[in-house]
Amino acid sequence: QSVLTQPPSVSGAPGQRVTISCTGSSSNIGAGYAVHWYKQLPGTAPKLLIYGNTNRPSGVPDRFSGSKSGTSASLAITGLQAEDEADYYCQSYDSSLSGWVFGGGTKLTVL
Amino acid sequence: QVQLVESGGGVVQPGRSLRLSCAASGFSFSSYAMHWVRQAPGKGLEWVAVISYDGSNKYYADSVKGRFTISRDNSKSTLDLQMNSLKTEDTAVYYCVRRAKTEVVTSLYFDSWGQGTLVTVSS
Repeated sequence: QSVLTQPPSVSGAPGQRVTISCTGSSSNIGAGYAVHWYKQLPGTAPKLLIYGNTNRPSGVPDRFSGSKSGTSASLAITGLQAEDEADYYCQSYDSSLSGWVFGGGTKLTVL
Repeated sequence: QVQLVESGGGVVQPGRSLRLSCAASGFSFSSYAMHWVRQAPGKGLEWVAVISYDGSNKYYADSVKGRFTISRDNSKSTLDLQMNSLKTEDTAVYYCVRRAKTEVVTSLYFDSWGQGTLVTVSS
């Protein structure tokens, strides 16, 4: 059971918009710790997608955006493309656990 | 460019030990906190351990506390993970991960990952 809760899967057609939620608690997201997102293609290491709730590293398309409110965060992907098909993970820090925590991951399928 | 290359994975029996290493290059290793993150087959990511830039502070996930030891050698730009009393549930790909430098103390994230090394604990 992951500390951060994500839907196991989401799907969308090419060109559509999808969102992936990440729900935490008062000891992590609700405590003010930022949420970060990673994209993982099969057989490869995760790659940073969004950091500090809303920031994109250089090279990440602006089709990807992040938001945070209260004890939850969301990743939005617009203009879905085939290469967006991957697993997506949210991550934060938990003060009660004194450690870094991840969501269980969400598999995005592009129909 | 940043490179993190893990080694030392393999098949080991329950109760035995294994030592993982990570060779870092392309950045000032001694300036960064470093982590180990693992991923069991078909499962999600799990944070394992962190060591501060100078090795003075170390923290562990409850699942490995007392069994795993993280260490670093800044003169060689290497990060290690000594894993003792291994359990079948320790089977995973282990990633060497760099934590991003940030002025924001509440924004703690990972900006570079190695390719991972597979540890299989099985009799």
